[in-house]
Amino acid sequence: DAGVIQSPRHEVTEMGQEVTLRCKPISGHNSLFWYRQTMMRGLELLIYFNNNVPIDDSGMPEDRFSAKMPNASFSTLKIQPSEPRDSAVYFCASSLRGSNNEQFFGPGTRLTVL
Amino acid sequence: GESVGLHLPTLSVQEGDNSIINCAYSNSASDYFIWYKQESGKGPQFIIDIRSNMDKRQGQRVTVLLNKTVKHLSLQIAATQPGDSAVYFCAVTTGGGNKLTFGTGTQLKVEL
Repeated sequence: DAGVIQSPRHEVTEMGQEVTLRCKPISGHNSLFWYRQTMMRGLELLIYFNNNVPIDDSGMPEDRFSAKMPNASFSTLKIQPSEPRDSAVYFCASSLRGSNNEQFFGPGTRLTVL
Repeated sequence: GESVGLHLPTLSVQEGDNSIINCAYSNSASDYFIWYKQESGKGPQFIIDIRSNMDKRQGQRVTVLLNKTVKHLSLQIAATQPGDSAVYFCAVTTGGGNKLTFGTGTQLKVEL
């Protein structure tokens, strides 16, 4: 099992640019989560999907952030336009809803906005 | 809303000693609790979980204790090893949902 796959692993961009982060959940999992981790705020849930449908996006900080899950094996988190304060590690996690809800995390994408 | 906190940001222990990491949560309706371990440069990794109908659960070298009366959760690591050095997070869910609220994390340092 390859686990949760995220790309890119590192992203450096300039303020104002569009950033797209990608996630492939574990095959068979039906819930997908996007988190942001910073030293100041720790791990924050941004949005999560059940069966490809967004359930709770209350953690999405601003309209600059958007997430999609077009199918069960792929999700994107987009920031447009990016700002320096968006610099963080972004994690994707997946789980099998209805089981013990254990979430499996990907390796994360380290985003730096200059 | 849910808030989850940890008593100590950093814990240093000698190799071979037992470690205890504590976590407090605020919502008495929280019903599922998980401990995650995060090594540098990696995503959080599941260690052990416990449901609210239990007060203790044991795994390999790890034990989780739940005190619902005072809304307190602890992770005990027996015979701590250098490979246990990491940040440990507690996380909770409420109402049977799958939305996790994470604590701020405790950095465990194992001294040789």
